[in-house]
Amino acid sequence: QSVLTQPPSASGTPGQRVTISCSGSSSNIGSNTVEWYQQFPGTAPKLLIYSNNQRPSGVSDRFSGSKSGTSASLAISGLQSDDEADYYCASWDDSLSGHVVFGGGTTLTVL
Amino acid sequence: QEQLVQSGAEVKKPGASVRVSCEASGYTFTTYSMHWVRQAPGQGLEWMGTINPNTVRTSPAQKMQGRVTVTRDTSTRTVYMELNSLRSEDTAVYYCARGGSRYGADALDIWGQGTRVTVSS
Repeated sequence: QSVLTQPPSASGTPGQRVTISCSGSSSNIGSNTVEWYQQFPGTAPKLLIYSNNQRPSGVSDRFSGSKSGTSASLAISGLQSDDEADYYCASWDDSLSGHVVFGGGTTLTVL
Repeated sequence: QEQLVQSGAEVKKPGASVRVSCEASGYTFTTYSMHWVRQAPGQGLEWMGTINPNTVRTSPAQKMQGRVTVTRDTSTRTVYMELNSLRSEDTAVYYCARGGSRYGADALDIWGQGTRVTVSS
């Protein structure tokens, strides 16, 4: 049971816009920034979004993030087949002396 | 080129300990924190703890307290994660990841390639 709640799966067709939600609480998303990671099978995760809505250098502007209250979302526009991957949200949690919490991950399928 | 290179796969028996190393290169080792994250087969990411290589201060996940030890060797730019009293549920890929970069304190911007640890009798 992950502290942050994500839908287990999402899907879309090429060119479509899809969003993935991430729900938390006042001790994590409500008071800290949200990061998003992209992971392809058999590889390490990659930082996709930091500080709620910022993209690291080299990340396509088709990816965007937002946060409101204790929830966050990742949007992917102009969906491409190579966007098929697992996506994880993460945030610092102020409880229990502080720790990083992750969502359970969302598997994105491009139909 | 900034990178993290981890040690190779391990197979351990229940009750044993494992130590995974993570060697940093291409950046000032003591400037950034190092985190450990694991991923059980077919499962999501689980944060294990972090170390500040400059102050040596560690913050293990509460679930891991007492079983995980994170240390560092500045002469070799290496961080170590030792997990003891292994059980089958510890079978996972273990990643080190850098934190505290220009992307924010909690953003993990560089990851090691992962180390597979298998716990089996």
